Amino acid sequence: DADVTQTPRNRITKTGKRIMLECSQTKGHDRMYWYRQDPGLGLRLIYYSFDVKDINKGEISDGYSVSRQAQAKFSLSLESAIPNQTALYFCATSDVLAGYNEQFFGPGTRLTVL
Amino acid sequence: RKEVEQDPGPFNVPEGATVAFNCTYSNSASQSFFWYRQDCRKEPKLLMSVYSSGNEDGRFTAQLNRASQYISLLIRDSKLSDSATYLCVVTLYGGATNKLIFGTGTLLAVQP
Repeated sequence: DADVTQTPRNRITKTGKRIMLECSQTKGHDRMYWYRQDPGLGLRLIYYSFDVKDINKGEISDGYSVSRQAQAKFSLSLESAIPNQTALYFCATSDVLAGYNEQFFGPGTRLTVL
Repeated sequence: RKEVEQDPGPFNVPEGATVAFNCTYSNSASQSFFWYRQDCRKEPKLLMSVYSSGNEDGRFTAQLNRASQYISLLIRDSKLSDSATYLCVVTLYGGATNKLIFGTGTLLAVQP
């Protein structure tokens, strides 16, 4: 079984709809991250969480919110989806004790906003 | 200026060739450096860390030049399975924040 899972894997929605993307991990890592990937722009950090009580904005948090329900779960919400939020979304985890910041990524969610 | 810059490619090389990718970063305070590999429509995965002294892992060699703010990845004896996008990644440390800054990637296509 995958260590980092994301649901759904693909989603098509309409402008104005509320969408939640979910991430679960079995790696026991404290740190979790949400990124989006767009062609030509690379991976950009949306939000990150270093433990259940810690939530931080990344470089492109506008239009997004997150919830860290438990150590193993970190969800990303689009309150009112817009077409320029069409992207590939990745969740990632890392272990603070690893000594370097290797991140382990989920398989991604491909979101299309019409 | 982008924080991490890479030539997007594509680099089209025959099997067995040696290919090198370069990457530059803008923040001299960057402290850790990595190469990640991303297959088409898949998640990125760590390929190797990059150390100041240079490091090698099988057919892959990574180099770091802090003075020039430059990172390289050399792949020898290319295999078809090396075809992927290679992401240059740097880490900035600030307080409790350890964030990865990703380049946009270099696409490698190894031809039979």
